[in-house]
Amino acid sequence: GAGVSQSPRYKVAKRGQDVALRCDPISGHVSLFWYQQALGQGPEFLTYFQNEAQLDKSGLPSDRFFAERPEGSVSTLKIQRTQQEDSAVYLCASSWTAGDGNTIYFGEGSWLTVV
Amino acid sequence: GENVEQHPSTLSVQEGDSAVIKCTYSDSASNYFPWYKQELGKGPQLIIDIRSNVGEKKDQRIAVTLNKTAKHFSLHITETQPEDSAVYFCAASSMDTGRRALTFGSGTRLQVQP
Repeated sequence: GAGVSQSPRYKVAKRGQDVALRCDPISGHVSLFWYQQALGQGPEFLTYFQNEAQLDKSGLPSDRFFAERPEGSVSTLKIQRTQQEDSAVYLCASSWTAGDGNTIYFGEGSWLTVV
Repeated sequence: GENVEQHPSTLSVQEGDSAVIKCTYSDSASNYFPWYKQELGKGPQLIIDIRSNVGEKKDQRIAVTLNKTAKHFSLHITETQPEDSAVYFCAASSMDTGRRALTFGSGTRLQVQP
């Protein structure tokens, strides 16, 4: 596709609900990242995939957060038993390879509001 | 881990003036420093980046400088235009290690007054 595509763009969840956020990276991109951006803050790293392998999940805030990329393309970020502090924009990003300094392209984000 | 600090948090300039945003980083292993522009309701968009083997890079009205010794880098926008108004983020990462993640600064809201 032309860019990184994320869905849904906006999601309102009741506290305790499970949510799933989808990311379609740029076709052929090996690396895929998830970031969380709170209002007025910079994006914070959640997790990183190289193809289907999740190489770094050090940024996931709790075991309620889970990400997968089973076939090395589309990725899903799942949040179980959502809490109000999970309200944020979830950004997906991808890059061509895992190599040195490849440009990382971001999607428009999924805006999650937990009420 | 890496820590990136960014200043100022807000910056207001007159159209045609220059704008400078500064960042410092803590991890001497960091070697890749991109700058992103984020408009309201959109994802961050890369505007320029620099690698640690160069000290300066320019692209039309935008330039970035890097001082590895002092661990700081700066974004310079000349001849600012109203459409430059947005939030700008600096970031740092080490592409030599297994961790490819970018660490972002807290952002600078730039407002260009017409």
